[in-house]
Amino acid sequence: AQSVTQLGSHVSVSEGALVLLRCNYSSSVPPYLFWYVQYPNQGLQLLLKYTTGATLVKGINGFEAEFKKSETSFHLTKPSAHMSDAAEYFCAVSDQTGNQFYFGTGTSLTVIP
Amino acid sequence: GAGVSQTPSNKVTEKGKYVELRCDPISGHTALYWYRQSLGQGPEFLIYFQGTGAADDSGLPNDRFFAVRPEGSVSTLKIQRTERGDSAVYLCASSLTGGRGINEQFFGPGTRLTVL
Repeated sequence: AQSVTQLGSHVSVSEGALVLLRCNYSSSVPPYLFWYVQYPNQGLQLLLKYTTGATLVKGINGFEAEFKKSETSFHLTKPSAHMSDAAEYFCAVSDQTGNQFYFGTGTSLTVIP
Repeated sequence: GAGVSQTPSNKVTEKGKYVELRCDPISGHTALYWYRQSLGQGPEFLIYFQGTGAADDSGLPNDRFFAVRPEGSVSTLKIQRTERGDSAVYLCASSLTGGRGINEQFFGPGTRLTVL
């Protein structure tokens, strides 16, 4: 079984500051890992995913995440926050069949001008 | 091209009533997923279709919930004898294929169900 823990339901950063959103997972098998973003009144949008290979994954809008097996983590980062990054962010884990996705409870990112 | 669409966008019903929620996936996508997102929570898996058949319905909470996809395209989530605890946003997603190998899921905007 898989599960995801997102530390911090609300994160505030100043515009131009580093964004760090934390995600830890639990999985009995090698996981596939995802970050999704949800803007107000819009559907979830895939930011990036890790399946195999390089552990540092780059996504859209300047976001990236690193799979660290020893720490069972998949934290999301962005060097410089923009106002447009304000949204809800969800980490998700899947087994390799891809039939089910388990989402975390989400982190709401606020960007302060 | 058109994304995943869901209708209605909002549904208000009374306890005990029956509701149907519709999902139109992206054309050509064979895999379709339903999720439920309660306030302050992440999406919770309900059911996954591969074509017309439910490949995994282990997330349906009880037998009041049922979903169909008769022609392998549009899907309907049906909830009988609704309860206040069913109030949530119901999300639909589709992907090009499902099963082994990961394809990106494209999500619809959701249907907000409120049971009074």
